[in-house]
Amino acid sequence: EVQLLESGGGLVQPGGSLTLSCAVSGFTFSRYAMHWVRQAPGKGLEWVSGISGSDGRTYYADSMKGRFTISRDNSKNTLYLQMNSLRAEDTAVYYCARSGSSSFEELDVWGQGTTVTVSS
Amino acid sequence: QLVLTQSPSASASLGASVKLTCTLSSGYSGFAIAWHQQRPQRGPRFLMRLNGDGSHKKGDGIPDRFSGSSSGAERFLTISSLQSEDEADYYCQTWGTVIFGGGTKLTVL
Repeated sequence: EVQLLESGGGLVQPGGSLTLSCAVSGFTFSRYAMHWVRQAPGKGLEWVSGISGSDGRTYYADSMKGRFTISRDNSKNTLYLQMNSLRAEDTAVYYCARSGSSSFEELDVWGQGTTVTVSS
Repeated sequence: QLVLTQSPSASASLGASVKLTCTLSSGYSGFAIAWHQQRPQRGPRFLMRLNGDGSHKKGDGIPDRFSGSSSGAERFLTISSLQSEDEADYYCQTWGTVIFGGGTKLTVL
């Protein structure tokens, strides 16, 4: 069974840092692009960042560039999102999701999400 | 710039059918999209990939009641024989840069 399991969410002060993890199982992790998508309270889905499966190229939404870093450890079947200089508007549920291939296509598997709250 | 436009809300009666629309912005009418369902307090669930020619590939375990079609820049998700569990938010998504539509909240009456 294909599974994505996020962890690492929590309460952090403005300006602080947090690292999210997404442990995957049930498929060959290195063959697929992976993404982080977030959802602020009462809002829609917002793509945060993605990393290709073939060459590990990384891509970011404009509002996250320079603050967030996506990475992957194919030996540990784990995706990461390092978040720095956090702001109140980064408060959201963060989901990891798999692309349908090694490049960016449909997001065909989703995790259950981990909640990040940025507040003093 | 690629934008996906969805109506904020839709409603239909239990047992009826409903057709949700996702419209691609001008110049992108041939693009494929994906449809996702998000039930209340749950994570999103992939429903299907829908190509510009109307062909589609559904995710594992998605019932036959869910189908997709295309016309020009419009991409449709049709849900037949509506059940209470279909009450959810539905998002379309495309890629290149990953983009989501604003979502449609479906109410089953």
